[in-house]
Parts: sequence; structure tokens; C-alpha cells
Amino acid sequence: TQLLEQSPQFLSIQEGENLTVYCNSSSVFSSLQWYRQEPGEGPVLLVTVVTGGEVKKLKRLTFQFGDARKDSSLHITAAQPGDTGLYLCAGDSRGGGSNYKLTFGKGTLLTVNP
Amino acid sequence: NAGVMQNPRHLVRRRGQEARLRCSPMKGHSHVYWYRQLPEEGLKFMVYLQKENIIDESGMPKERFSAEFPKEGPSILRIQQVVRGDSAAYFCASSPRVGEKLFFGSGTQLSVL
Repeated sequence: TQLLEQSPQFLSIQEGENLTVYCNSSSVFSSLQWYRQEPGEGPVLLVTVVTGGEVKKLKRLTFQFGDARKDSSLHITAAQPGDTGLYLCAGDSRGGGSNYKLTFGKGTLLTVNP
Repeated sequence: NAGVMQNPRHLVRRRGQEARLRCSPMKGHSHVYWYRQLPEEGLKFMVYLQKENIIDESGMPKERFSAEFPKEGPSILRIQQVVRGDSAAYFCASSPRVGEKLFFGSGTQLSVL
């Protein structure tokens, strides 16, 4: 069974601080996705990383896929209250680009205080 | 431009009753996926359906759970004889083609008393 471990589980910071959250596995994934989920809503895709070592930037968010495609990190620069939410990583378990049988981590609950 | 619509948002059932969860995919999407989020757990894949066909049900419990996506109308996830352990948030997602980005609905929170 493929598992994704996310850390930290909870993170509370002040506006303007930087932070990094991690997603680790002992398994190799063909791709890894990061989602943000607001309370009472479904996850919304932020980014997909496919190539080992890949780095993608989305405004103040930087996503990195490990060289061995087993781990990933999300770095947020100058966090804002609007970044508050549950950040989930998900790996494509089935592979082959099917992208539907995703293994999700339990998430990092981020709170950015004004 | 409506997203993935799920209803009801909240569903309360007593043990032994049936639960029916509905999902209307985004316009133009013919691929539907159901996930379950148990308390303190990550989302887990249940089933993948295309119009009138079940493509992959490897994540579905073998008993009491069934899913359909008829030619007309929403996809339905049906849970018969619910038990307390079925209490969870059930999310539906859709995509225009397999392999493409999943769009998730807001979920149905099922509570079994």
C-alpha cells in the first residue's frame, strides 16, 4: 500500500513569515499533485509535478518534486491570511497518466494570523 | 459555469437505512470519480465511472456500496444498511477525459446515528 506522510500536521504562523510543508513516501509516484482544501469544500488543484527534481512556482508558492519522485515540498513566501487552509499532497497510484486513483496524504492545516 | 454539484451537502441516517449521494459533473465532463474522507484519514479513491459504465471499482467496499452513472442524470453512490463506520465526507470529482485535471465537488457529509 502506498502511503503519503505529510508534515507538519498543523502549522500556525504570522502574516509575512515563510514556511515549508513536506510530503514523503517510501514509494515512487509517476506524478504528485498539491491541493488546497477550504472548510466544507472539496480540494482544489494547485499544481502537478511529474519529473524528478522539478520545481514549479505559482506566485508566492514554490513546489519541488524530489529527484527520486518519492517526496515533495511546498514553500510559501511571505504568507498571507488568504493562504489559510488544508494543504494536501496526492500521488498517482495507478501510474500511466491515468490520474484518477490518487493516494492522498492527511494534509497540513495552515493558519496564517494577521 | 457551474462546478461539480453534489447533494445533499449533509445527510443524516440511522443505522440500517439507505443513503443515496448524488453528483452532477461539470458540463462536458463524462468521467466521474468518488472519494471518501474518513475522520482523521486522507481522501481515499472508491470508484471511477464513465457514462453507463463502471471503469474501476477497486476502492469500493465489496458489500453494501454501489455506484452508477446513467446515460441521463447524475451519478449516484448508494450505501445500503448504513453503519456508524460509514460516517464520512464523500467527494465526487469529474474530468473531461481520463488523465486530465480532477475538479472536486463540495462533498456530502454523511452522519450515521
